[in-house]
Amino acid sequence: GQNIDQPTEMTATEGAIVQINCTYQTSGFNGLFWYQQHAGEAPTFLSYNVLDGLEEKGRFSSFLSRSKGYSYLLLKELQMKDSASYLCAVMNSNYQLIWGAGTKLIIKP
Amino acid sequence: GAVVSQHPSRVICKSGTSVKIECRSLDFQATTMFWYRQFPKQSLMLMATSNEGSKATYEQGVEKDKFLINHASLTLSTLTVTSAHPEDSSFYICSAREDHEQFFGPGTRLTVL
Repeated sequence: GQNIDQPTEMTATEGAIVQINCTYQTSGFNGLFWYQQHAGEAPTFLSYNVLDGLEEKGRFSSFLSRSKGYSYLLLKELQMKDSASYLCAVMNSNYQLIWGAGTKLIIKP
Repeated sequence: GAVVSQHPSRVICKSGTSVKIECRSLDFQATTMFWYRQFPKQSLMLMATSNEGSKATYEQGVEKDKFLINHASLTLSTLTVTSAHPEDSSFYICSAREDHEQFFGPGTRLTVL
Protein backbone atom coordinates (compact mmCIF):
# COMPACT_ATOMS: atom_id res chain seq x y z
CA GLY A 1 0.00 0.00 0.00
CA GLN A 2 0.86 3.65 -0.11
CA ASN A 3 1.19 5.72 3.01
CA ILE A 4 2.54 8.99 4.30
CA ASP A 5 3.46 9.35 7.97
CA GLN A 6 3.89 12.59 9.83
CA PRO A 7 3.40 13.53 13.49
CA THR A 8 -0.12 14.47 14.48
CA GLU A 9 0.75 17.52 16.50
CA MET A 10 3.77 19.58 17.49
CA THR A 11 4.24 22.55 19.78
CA ALA A 12 6.92 25.21 19.47
CA THR A 13 7.74 28.63 20.84
CA GLU A 14 7.51 31.90 18.96
CA GLY A 15 10.91 32.82 17.50
CA ALA A 16 12.22 29.26 17.66
CA ILE A 17 12.83 26.64 14.96
CA VAL A 18 10.73 23.55 14.34
CA GLN A 19 11.25 20.57 12.06
CA ILE A 20 8.28 18.55 10.82
CA ASN A 21 9.20 15.11 9.50
CA CYS A 22 7.47 13.08 6.84
CA THR A 23 8.18 9.52 5.73
CA TYR A 24 6.56 7.92 2.74
CA GLN A 25 6.03 4.71 0.84
CA THR A 26 4.43 5.15 -2.55
CA SER A 27 4.21 3.43 -5.90
CA GLY A 28 6.74 5.53 -7.73
CA PHE A 29 7.82 9.06 -6.99
CA ASN A 30 7.32 12.28 -8.91
CA GLY A 31 7.96 14.79 -6.17
CA LEU A 32 7.09 15.67 -2.60
CA PHE A 33 5.02 18.67 -1.60
CA TRP A 34 4.45 20.59 1.59
CA TYR A 35 1.26 22.59 2.06
CA GLN A 36 0.10 24.84 4.85
CA GLN A 37 -3.54 24.80 5.88
CA HIS A 38 -5.13 27.17 8.34
CA ALA A 39 -8.33 26.05 10.02
CA GLY A 40 -11.33 26.39 7.73
CA GLU A 41 -9.24 27.28 4.70
CA ALA A 42 -7.89 25.41 1.70
CA PRO A 43 -4.23 24.34 1.62
CA THR A 44 -1.62 26.69 0.20
CA PHE A 45 1.53 25.52 -1.51
CA LEU A 46 4.80 25.84 0.40
CA SER A 47 7.42 23.75 -1.37
CA TYR A 48 8.20 21.07 -3.91
CA ASN A 49 11.19 18.67 -3.83
CA VAL A 50 11.96 16.17 -6.54
CA LEU A 51 15.74 15.89 -6.13
CA ASP A 52 17.63 15.07 -2.95
CA GLY A 53 18.73 17.98 -0.85
CA LEU A 54 17.55 21.14 0.77
CA GLU A 55 15.35 23.78 -0.82
CA GLU A 56 15.27 27.08 1.01
CA LYS A 57 12.55 29.67 0.64
CA GLY A 58 12.69 32.45 3.18
CA ARG A 59 11.91 31.19 6.66
CA PHE A 60 10.84 27.81 5.30
CA SER A 61 13.12 25.05 4.03
CA SER A 62 12.29 21.57 2.82
CA PHE A 63 14.63 18.59 2.63
CA LEU A 64 14.29 15.36 0.69
CA SER A 65 16.07 12.01 0.76
CA ARG A 66 14.55 9.71 -1.84
CA SER A 67 16.63 6.69 -0.78
CA LYS A 68 15.26 6.98 2.76
CA GLY A 69 11.72 7.96 1.76
CA TYR A 70 12.06 10.94 4.05
CA SER A 71 11.46 14.64 4.02
CA TYR A 72 11.28 17.42 6.54
CA LEU A 73 9.93 20.94 6.60
CA LEU A 74 11.98 23.38 8.65
CA LEU A 75 10.38 26.56 9.90
CA LYS A 76 12.64 29.25 11.34
CA GLU A 77 11.89 32.36 13.37
CA LEU A 78 8.45 31.07 14.16
CA GLN A 79 5.60 33.54 14.19
CA MET A 80 2.16 33.14 15.71
CA LYS A 81 0.66 33.14 12.23
CA ASP A 82 2.59 29.93 11.49
CA SER A 83 0.12 28.08 13.68
CA ALA A 84 -1.55 25.79 11.15
CA SER A 85 -1.60 22.26 9.86
CA TYR A 86 1.25 21.25 7.58
CA LEU A 87 0.47 18.62 5.00
CA CYS A 88 3.04 16.38 3.34
CA ALA A 89 2.02 14.91 -0.02
CA VAL A 90 3.82 12.70 -2.52
CA MET A 91 3.05 12.47 -6.22
CA ASN A 92 3.27 8.85 -7.30
CA SER A 93 4.03 7.35 -10.70
CA ASN A 94 0.41 7.92 -11.80
CA TYR A 95 0.74 11.60 -10.92
CA GLN A 96 -1.71 11.18 -8.06
CA LEU A 97 -1.07 13.07 -4.85
CA ILE A 98 -0.94 10.83 -1.80
CA TRP A 99 -1.61 12.89 1.33
CA GLY A 100 -0.43 12.60 4.87
CA ALA A 101 -2.88 13.32 7.66
CA GLY A 102 -1.16 16.59 8.45
CA THR A 103 0.77 17.92 11.43
CA LYS A 104 -0.96 20.50 13.56
CA LEU A 105 1.63 23.03 14.68
CA ILE A 106 0.85 25.06 17.78
CA ILE A 107 2.96 28.15 18.41
CA LYS A 108 3.15 29.46 21.96
CA PRO A 109 4.29 32.96 22.91
CA GLY B 1 1.05 31.30 -8.83
CA ALA B 2 -1.99 30.10 -10.66
CA VAL B 3 -5.43 30.94 -9.29
CA VAL B 4 -8.32 28.56 -8.78
CA SER B 5 -11.72 29.84 -7.76
CA GLN B 6 -14.57 27.93 -6.23
CA HIS B 7 -18.22 28.85 -5.96
CA PRO B 8 -20.11 29.01 -3.70
CA SER B 9 -17.87 29.38 -0.69
CA ARG B 10 -20.61 28.35 1.69
CA VAL B 11 -23.97 26.67 1.15
CA ILE B 12 -26.70 25.47 3.45
CA CYS B 13 -29.36 23.22 2.00
CA LYS B 14 -32.17 20.96 3.06
CA SER B 15 -31.83 17.21 3.11
CA GLY B 16 -32.79 15.68 -0.22
CA THR B 17 -31.81 18.62 -2.39
CA SER B 18 -28.92 18.80 -4.84
CA VAL B 19 -26.03 21.22 -4.66
CA LYS B 20 -23.65 22.18 -7.45
CA ILE B 21 -20.13 23.41 -6.74
CA GLU B 22 -18.05 25.06 -9.46
CA CYS B 23 -14.27 25.02 -9.72
CA ARG B 24 -12.53 27.31 -12.18
CA SER B 25 -8.89 27.75 -13.15
CA LEU B 26 -8.70 31.49 -13.79
CA ASP B 27 -5.38 32.01 -15.55
CA PHE B 28 -4.42 28.61 -16.88
CA GLN B 29 -5.96 25.62 -18.57
CA ALA B 30 -6.33 22.52 -16.48
CA THR B 31 -6.88 19.21 -18.18
CA THR B 32 -7.01 17.58 -14.77
CA MET B 33 -8.85 18.77 -11.70
CA PHE B 34 -9.29 17.02 -8.39
CA TRP B 35 -12.12 17.03 -5.89
CA TYR B 36 -11.41 16.53 -2.20
CA ARG B 37 -13.50 16.30 0.89
CA GLN B 38 -12.28 17.17 4.34
CA PHE B 39 -14.08 16.46 7.59
CA PRO B 40 -13.17 18.43 10.71
CA LYS B 41 -9.70 17.71 12.03
CA GLN B 42 -9.04 15.17 9.30
CA SER B 43 -6.83 15.21 6.25
CA LEU B 44 -7.91 15.76 2.70
CA MET B 45 -9.62 12.80 1.12
CA LEU B 46 -9.48 12.55 -2.64
CA MET B 47 -12.94 11.88 -4.01
CA ALA B 48 -12.32 11.88 -7.74
CA THR B 49 -10.06 12.96 -10.54
CA SER B 50 -11.79 15.00 -13.20
CA ASN B 51 -10.40 14.89 -16.74
CA GLU B 52 -11.55 17.35 -19.36
CA GLY B 53 -13.72 15.71 -21.99
CA SER B 54 -13.88 12.31 -20.33
CA LYS B 55 -15.46 10.58 -17.36
CA ALA B 56 -14.15 11.25 -13.90
CA THR B 57 -12.20 8.62 -12.03
CA TYR B 58 -13.68 8.00 -8.60
CA GLU B 59 -11.81 6.79 -5.56
CA GLN B 60 -12.92 3.62 -3.84
CA GLY B 61 -15.95 4.15 -1.67
CA VAL B 62 -17.14 7.32 -3.43
CA GLU B 63 -20.53 6.93 -5.08
CA LYS B 64 -20.33 8.26 -8.63
CA ASP B 65 -24.11 8.51 -8.92
CA LYS B 66 -24.26 10.67 -5.82
CA PHE B 67 -21.30 12.90 -6.59
CA LEU B 68 -21.65 13.89 -10.23
CA ILE B 69 -18.58 15.45 -11.81
CA ASN B 70 -18.53 17.28 -15.11
CA HIS B 71 -15.38 18.72 -16.67
CA ALA B 72 -16.74 20.22 -19.84
CA SER B 73 -13.99 22.75 -20.49
CA LEU B 74 -10.33 23.27 -19.69
CA THR B 75 -11.17 25.85 -17.05
CA LEU B 76 -14.30 24.50 -15.36
CA SER B 77 -15.20 21.41 -13.40
CA THR B 78 -18.39 20.99 -11.42
CA LEU B 79 -19.30 18.69 -8.56
CA THR B 80 -22.98 18.07 -7.91
CA VAL B 81 -23.95 16.47 -4.63
CA THR B 82 -27.27 14.83 -5.39
CA SER B 83 -29.94 14.13 -2.76
CA ALA B 84 -27.71 15.55 -0.06
CA HIS B 85 -27.96 14.24 3.48
CA PRO B 86 -26.55 15.60 6.75
CA GLU B 87 -23.62 13.17 6.57
CA ASP B 88 -22.57 14.89 3.34
CA SER B 89 -21.87 18.05 5.33
CA SER B 90 -18.19 18.73 4.84
CA PHE B 91 -15.57 21.03 3.37
CA TYR B 92 -15.24 20.35 -0.36
CA ILE B 93 -12.05 21.53 -2.04
CA CYS B 94 -11.06 21.39 -5.68
CA SER B 95 -7.61 21.67 -7.13
CA ALA B 96 -6.23 22.04 -10.61
CA ARG B 97 -2.91 20.76 -11.83
CA GLU B 98 -0.45 22.86 -13.79
CA ASP B 99 2.82 21.09 -14.52
CA HIS B 100 3.87 19.45 -11.26
CA GLU B 101 1.93 21.73 -8.95
CA GLN B 102 -1.61 21.54 -7.70
CA PHE B 103 -3.39 24.78 -6.94
CA PHE B 104 -6.32 24.69 -4.60
CA GLY B 105 -9.58 26.54 -4.68
CA PRO B 106 -10.68 28.23 -1.45
CA GLY B 107 -13.13 25.45 -0.63
CA THR B 108 -16.89 25.17 -0.22
CA ARG B 109 -18.40 24.49 3.15
CA LEU B 110 -21.57 22.45 2.70
CA THR B 111 -24.06 22.14 5.53
CA VAL B 112 -27.05 19.86 4.98
CA LEU B 113 -29.87 20.35 7.44
